Amino acid sequence: KAGVTQTPRYLIKTRGQQVTLSCSPISGHRSVSWYQQTPGQGLQFLFEYFSETQRNKGNFPGRFSGRQFSNSRSEMNVSTLELGDSALYLCATSMTANSYEQYFGPGTRLTVT
Amino acid sequence: DQQVKQNSPSLSVQEGRISILNCDYTNSMFDYFLWYKKYPAEGPTFLISISSIKDKNEDGRFTVFLNKSAKHLSLHIVPSQPGDSAVYFCAASRGSNYKLTFGKGTLLTVNP
Repeated sequence: KAGVTQTPRYLIKTRGQQVTLSCSPISGHRSVSWYQQTPGQGLQFLFEYFSETQRNKGNFPGRFSGRQFSNSRSEMNVSTLELGDSALYLCATSMTANSYEQYFGPGTRLTVT
Repeated sequence: DQQVKQNSPSLSVQEGRISILNCDYTNSMFDYFLWYKKYPAEGPTFLISISSIKDKNEDGRFTVFLNKSAKHLSLHIVPSQPGDSAVYFCAASRGSNYKLTFGKGTLLTVNP
């Protein structure tokens, strides 16, 4: 079965712009979580969606937002990009909302210049 | 505030020997722990987990040990193989909140 798909894989943006990243879960998976990975902070939880509802949110500013569609695909949006937003953004999916065992996509590498 | 700490950024072992990766946590409310493995250009892959009601969980070459009093867990890989070379992340969760808190990872290199 196909794995988690994230698009685009690489992205370069300039400060002040906004960006939208996409995540398509494994077929049958309805929960999508987003993480930011940076060398200094490691993997940090952004938010989790299940059945188009945000269930959990990490400690990130309001510039970071997300949504989930009825087909479980999810997007995350970062507005007014800052240099510090340069990171690998990973999404992870699971069949149910209450699942520790998540399957990660390959990530989107965002570079802000 | 780093609630999950992996104090060794890297570890190098010989093929066939034991690899021991360590993880410490500060939040006593954590009750479920996981290890993920990550190869370059790929997302993390779930490896093994342990609930706080247990002190050991084994899956093939991988064993995770949990010492709740010390707030410490470790992942043992025996025997280590070159294909095990990757970054290993420790993660923790608490109660009904399934949000995972990750450590910064340890790069394991297994030399042939």
